[in-house]
Amino acid sequence: AQKITQTQPGMFVQEKEAVTLDCTYDTSDQSYGLFWYKQPSSGEMIFLIYQGSYDEQNATEGRYSLNFQKARKSANLVISASQLGDSAMYFCAMREGSGANSKLTFGKGITLSVRP
Amino acid sequence: GAVVSQHPSWVICKSGTSVKIECRSLDFQATTMFWYRQFPKQSLMLMATSNEGSKATYEQGVEKDKFLINHASLTLSTLTVTSAHPEDSSFYICSALPPGGFDTQYFGPGTRLTVL
Repeated sequence: AQKITQTQPGMFVQEKEAVTLDCTYDTSDQSYGLFWYKQPSSGEMIFLIYQGSYDEQNATEGRYSLNFQKARKSANLVISASQLGDSAMYFCAMREGSGANSKLTFGKGITLSVRP
Repeated sequence: GAVVSQHPSWVICKSGTSVKIECRSLDFQATTMFWYRQFPKQSLMLMATSNEGSKATYEQGVEKDKFLINHASLTLSTLTVTSAHPEDSSFYICSALPPGGFDTQYFGPGTRLTVL
């Protein structure tokens, strides 16, 4: 079974509007972390936001917020006030366990296009 | 934020030659580094986990003799693609885990390898 599932096809959003990118995950660990990364066409992986499994509050970082629903095992990324520069590939990822060798597993990614 | 560099950013080589890619953590010591491979429009696939002073741990299906990893110091890991073939052409990305950094993982800018 896939650990991280991102099933949305390419997403389009109008500039200045909000958009939600979906992510569901599968783990039997109690301790895990969820991440979102942005990858523009340059290829660089840009860290956006992190949510720990024990965090009770949804994580927020500027225009990014993570809608964490633990019981449903979902960790959707919400981008508010979209900008043209938000057009990129977005990856949801999960780290299970807490050791130094705990690995980051990525979803397939979602392409977001922001329209002017 | 923390910076991870990769060198070279792109390389073109002839089939049969070996290529070395360097990954450096510039402002922290990384006991653990990771090497990923990414094909166009696809997700990042973990190739191996590199630990300073010990042998790398390779993911299933990754040829150890073909992708040589050396984590010589706390700030440098190298990936050598030996006897490269056109099917090895890909985007290779490294990342580094700061000490105690369960909630962070910094990525290098990637290296685009083209084997002719």
